[in-house]
Amino acid sequence: DAGITQSPRHKVTETGTPVTLRCHQTENHRYMYWYRQDPGHGLRLIHYSYGVKDTDKGEVSDGYSVSRSKTEDFLLTLESATSSQTSVYFCAIRPQGRLTYEQYFGPGTRLTVT
Amino acid sequence: GESVGLHLPTLSVQEGDNSIINCAYSNSASDYFIWYKQESGKGPQFIIDIRSNMDKRQGQRVTVLLNKTVKHLSLQIAATQPGDSAVYFCAEKEGNDYKLSFGAGTTVTVRA
Repeated sequence: DAGITQSPRHKVTETGTPVTLRCHQTENHRYMYWYRQDPGHGLRLIHYSYGVKDTDKGEVSDGYSVSRSKTEDFLLTLESATSSQTSVYFCAIRPQGRLTYEQYFGPGTRLTVT
Repeated sequence: GESVGLHLPTLSVQEGDNSIINCAYSNSASDYFIWYKQESGKGPQFIIDIRSNMDKRQGQRVTVLLNKTVKHLSLQIAATQPGDSAVYFCAEKEGNDYKLSFGAGTTVTVRA
């Protein structure tokens, strides 16, 4: 699992509430990613980070924000949760110095917005 | 829309047979293609990748073939085992971009 943990693993929240998901890594990787996974869509990139305080948007970033104040933590915030954000969220890291393009994924967070 | 996709959403394979999972892509500028395996309840796991300047790459029991003429990628699994039951995703990376684009996935079920 490349030393990646996600918290919480499961969460149920109400529409309109803010939610923050945490991704924590222990191996000092520079690149971190947040994806959502929905049936029929595979994995879609929400935001990614290429260093502390360096982040950029992915293809489905509306309604989400991220922060990376230290190398080991990448936080994903749903500013005002909606039912369309019910999904499984995966964090990933990409090790540097590899000739291949590998990303390693965390175990996921299942979020339900009621 | 997505530039990477899989031909079939499901594949049923007899244990011991070879599996072939297909993927079509549309972005000619992609320089890496990657296959991931996702078991139930877990995150995706990297299997193998291939650079765009290659046609074939072999790993342990897996082979990836790339046909740039028809923009087609396939993953072949030899002697499929029950542990190979999972969802398989292809993904592509373009140039120096840090991002991957994933297809929708193929669910492989291995019959005993």
